[in-house]
Amino acid sequence: SQTIHQWPATLVQPVGSPLSLECTVEGTSNPNLYWYRQAAGRGLQLLFYSVGIGQISSEVPQNLSASRPQDRQFILSSKKLLLSDSGFYLCAWSVGSGSDTQYFGPGTRLTVL
Amino acid sequence: DAKTTQPNSMESNEEEPVHLPCNHSTISGTDYIHWYRQLPSQGPEYVIHGLTSNVNNRMASLAIAEDRKSSTLILHRATLRDAAVYYCILTPPGAQKLVFGQGTRLTINP
Repeated sequence: SQTIHQWPATLVQPVGSPLSLECTVEGTSNPNLYWYRQAAGRGLQLLFYSVGIGQISSEVPQNLSASRPQDRQFILSSKKLLLSDSGFYLCAWSVGSGSDTQYFGPGTRLTVL
Repeated sequence: DAKTTQPNSMESNEEEPVHLPCNHSTISGTDYIHWYRQLPSQGPEYVIHGLTSNVNNRMASLAIAEDRKSSTLILHRATLRDAAVYYCILTPPGAQKLVFGQGTRLTINP
């Protein structure tokens, strides 16, 4: 069966520090991968998605970036965190050409102080 | 992206059926209707989806209006674990993203 892992589960970082969040999927090949963010009291916002290794589409311009170095690995990064980067970061995967069910990971709760 | 409208909150009692409405009057003929739910401090969880016909699975039923301008998610016998925010989302064929609205916060009373 397929599983999705995210780490760390929680993170507290100072403003201006770098960020690296990792997501890995097991049990499937060539998944579509997604990064979402949910700010406190807000809805989920898609940040990036990837349909293959090295292929990244950005939905919202910001100081975050994403990379997909391996088929089932998706990384969210920042060189310098802002207070507004605080939130609940969720990775998700799907298979197929779109409009397919997405399966979400447990999330990383990031607090920037 | 086609827009959906859901009540901000609903309340029900344990072991009673719950009907969660969703209006999507601008839905196109090929948009799928997806429902997800998000339990507190967790990622969203797929519940059910459909296109034109009513759908049933182990979690819920989805009733789709004949004109497809509205749909209803039905939880047949609510439990306390069903307390969550429920999102109704329209996805065109080939869409790579889910556009989440504010959803309906469902409270289940014991």
